[in-house]
Amino acid sequence: EAGVTQSPTHLIKTRGQQATLRCSPISGHTSVYWYQQALGLGLQFLLWYDEGEERNRGNFPPRFSGRQFPNYSSELNVNALELEDSALYLCASKNRVTNTGELFFGEGSRLTVL
Amino acid sequence: AQSVTQPDIHITVSEGASLELRCNYSYGATPYLFWYVQSPGQGLQLLLKYFSGDTLVQGIKGFEAEFKRSQSSFNLRKPSVHWSDAAEYFCAVSSGGSYIPTFGRGTSLIVHP
Repeated sequence: EAGVTQSPTHLIKTRGQQATLRCSPISGHTSVYWYQQALGLGLQFLLWYDEGEERNRGNFPPRFSGRQFPNYSSELNVNALELEDSALYLCASKNRVTNTGELFFGEGSRLTVL
Repeated sequence: AQSVTQPDIHITVSEGASLELRCNYSYGATPYLFWYVQSPGQGLQLLLKYFSGDTLVQGIKGFEAEFKRSQSSFNLRKPSVHWSDAAEYFCAVSSGGSYIPTFGRGTSLIVHP
């Protein structure tokens, strides 16, 4: 069974540009979570999608957005990039049926903003 | 709101020594508790989890953790550390009502030969 896959692995952008990150959940998982892992800050919750709908978002500005597609894959968009957006962006999926909070993570997309 | 505190940013141990990583949580009801490990350049992998029942839970790679409600703690332990255990360890809490796990800031484990 394939795990959570994320692309691209690395992405370099300059300030003001836009970045798009993609995530494919484990087959059968309908919930997708996005977390930002900046140096020394642990994992900060960004967005949660389930069944194609945005269910919750963390304390991030509106230039962080995303969507979930009918096949449950997801993308995260970051507009008007700032230097502090440089981080590892982790996607995770969950089996909604179990509802116990256990997440399965991808290896992340490393975004560098110059 | 739920929260997680990992008081140790870095822990250094010698190979073969025992290990305990601390985790304290804040949540009113019985939480779901997790420990994840992140090796350099990798995503997070679940080590173990506690939902209910026996307060001592066993995980992968020889790790165990004990849930202590009176202390709001869920400390991770390993009796003998291997060099390959060097990684970042994250404690997380979730609940039946909240579908969004909250993570601690992580503890970096350094293993000396």
